[in-house]
Amino acid sequence: GQNIDQPTEMTATEGAIVQINCTYQTSGFNGLFWYQQHAGEAPTFLSYNVLDGLEEKGRFSSFLSRSKGYSYLLLKELQMKDSASYLCAVSNDYKLSFGAGTTVTVRA
Amino acid sequence: GAGVSQSPSNKVTEKGKDVELRCDPISGHTALYWYRQSLGQGLEFLIYFQGNSAPDKSGLPSDRFSAERTGGSVSTLTIQRTQQEDSAVYLCASSGRQGASEQYFGPGTRLTVT
Repeated sequence: GQNIDQPTEMTATEGAIVQINCTYQTSGFNGLFWYQQHAGEAPTFLSYNVLDGLEEKGRFSSFLSRSKGYSYLLLKELQMKDSASYLCAVSNDYKLSFGAGTTVTVRA
Repeated sequence: GAGVSQSPSNKVTEKGKDVELRCDPISGHTALYWYRQSLGQGLEFLIYFQGNSAPDKSGLPSDRFSAERTGGSVSTLTIQRTQQEDSAVYLCASSGRQGASEQYFGPGTRLTVT
């Protein structure tokens, strides 16, 4: 079975840093994706981790520990436009299993 | 177009009617996926196509749901005898490679069954 957990909501101030945690217990694992989804829009790709460690891409970084079944997405220098839902997804071959998403609200 | 497109963007139907949802993947993408997203829920996998074949239909909730893909391109998801619990956003995604790879999502079809 697939069990992917992430917090439901987080709130942070513009310019701050927010870390969204994702823990997973899955029957197979090839890698872990993070997607961003603005309300009423399609999810868009943010990052993909296959190996343990930190992947940095501009203001966004993603970390993976396969032995702990744990990942986080780090959003730095928060902007109002970062208010969105962030989806953690575990891939097993072609299949993605998604967490319920974390809604991040950025306040001025 | 450059991205995945879906139609209609919104569909309101009466309970018991059949509906067809359409997905146009990115040109050349061989893999196509259908997901369902209900309010407050994660994306729920429905079906996976590789070319015109569907090697994994395990996520289809009941036999009222079916999907096909023709010409290795357009896909339609059909829901027969719709029920209120079918109300959700239906998302289509495509990818250019087999196996684990980035999926590109369409904007979705919001289905409301009254």
